Amino acid sequence: QVQLVESGGGLVKPGGSLRLSCVASGLTFSVEYMGWIRQAPGKGLEWISYISNSATAIFNADTVKGRFIVSRDNAKNSLYLQMNSLRVEDTAVYYCVRVRGLGPYGHADHWGQGTLVTVSS
Amino acid sequence: EIVLTQSPATLSLSPGERATLSCRASQSVSSYLAWYQQKPGQAPRLLIYDASERATGIPVRFSGSGSGTDFTLTISSLEPEDFAVYYCQQRSNWPLTFGGGTHVEIK
Repeated sequence: QVQLVESGGGLVKPGGSLRLSCVASGLTFSVEYMGWIRQAPGKGLEWISYISNSATAIFNADTVKGRFIVSRDNAKNSLYLQMNSLRVEDTAVYYCVRVRGLGPYGHADHWGQGTLVTVSS
Repeated sequence: EIVLTQSPATLSLSPGERATLSCRASQSVSSYLAWYQQKPGQAPRLLIYDASERATGIPVRFSGSGSGTDFTLTISSLEPEDFAVYYCQQRSNWPLTFGGGTHVEIK
């Protein structure tokens, strides 16, 4: 079965950096499109990053553009999110997701358990 | 950015009743709409994709309909485990966006 396991969350000061990782199993990672979705405490869902199987297509939400970098290592079945210049409003649970769907973009058919990032002084 | 508006915000129903949830898009998303269920402390789970296709393992009491700008998720007869928050999501345009959610609570 598909498993996505995130790690790397924690407490960081405003302006700091953090790198999230997601290790995937039970799938052929190198052919899968992947993404990161976040959820602030008590709030709704926000899709922040989307990366194609070969990383030739990458999309980022305006709220994180220029600060967050999504990448992948297909040899390690791993997805990453490098988060720089963190702000208080980046506080959220970050979910790694597998993306599926023919045509434009996709939906998230498998989710990790999430990792909490807290930005606070 | 495509805005998805879900209604109602809260739906109070009893087990066995029918639930009808709405999602309206600010512009056409064709049939590129998904529905998710989220329970407290858990990651969301995909229920419906492409407006009406049930995801793997989803019970037949969940069904989706609609196209263009108006979509509906129907739960034909609520089970105790169905009380949760439901989100819609469009994949027609970037940024991919979610609705604000509908909380289905026990009456």
